[in-house]
Amino acid sequence: RKEVEQDPGPFNVPEGATVAFNCTYSNSASQSFFWYRQDCRKEPKLLMSVYSSGNEDGRFTAQLNRASQYISLLIRDSKLSDSATYLCVVRRGGSARQLTFGSGTQLTVLP
Amino acid sequence: EPEVTQTPSHQVTQMGQEVILRCVPISNHLYFYWYRQILGQKVEFLVSFYNNEISEKSEIFDDQFSVERPDGSNFTLKIRSTKLEDSAMYFCASRAGGDTGELFFGEGSRLTVL
Repeated sequence: RKEVEQDPGPFNVPEGATVAFNCTYSNSASQSFFWYRQDCRKEPKLLMSVYSSGNEDGRFTAQLNRASQYISLLIRDSKLSDSATYLCVVRRGGSARQLTFGSGTQLTVLP
Repeated sequence: EPEVTQTPSHQVTQMGQEVILRCVPISNHLYFYWYRQILGQKVEFLVSFYNNEISEKSEIFDDQFSVERPDGSNFTLKIRSTKLEDSAMYFCASRAGGDTGELFFGEGSRLTVL
């Protein structure tokens, strides 16, 4: 089983739509959770951290369910500029705290 | 805004040649990483480096790979004898430390092995 699994998509949605991405992780020792955004042939950039209580940043809402080992990202009122690949990322404990990336979910927002 | 810089942006090499990819992490950061992404695939961890030594490495990071921080600012990844399957985008990243330190990525070095 992959350590981090995501639906690869692609998701093609009209501007203004609400879209949700899901992710599951297999290692119960995972401690921190993130959504990264990656534009085509660019580096990953942190979109937001994900907390157990759920957190919101503008049009973006992230949720974490530790019992189910499940992470979600909701994008409301999607913009053309939201088109990118969204990467679910987990971090285990330990001194290095290296990140494990999911394969990403591709989103295209259509005019 | 401080940033991680990488050189070269693109390198083409012949199979069997040695390649050195260079990175300048953010100046006050303590942890340094190399990740790679084969075209169309996920970002994969290679190695982490702290206090002038490797702290963790993946199974991808075999004897052909090495890392070095030769002068306190540069952080290099060397591939001793490149193979076709080493063709990928290589991302350097750094973070300041602490439990919640964000990982900052460089723009990547694209390696093409012919």
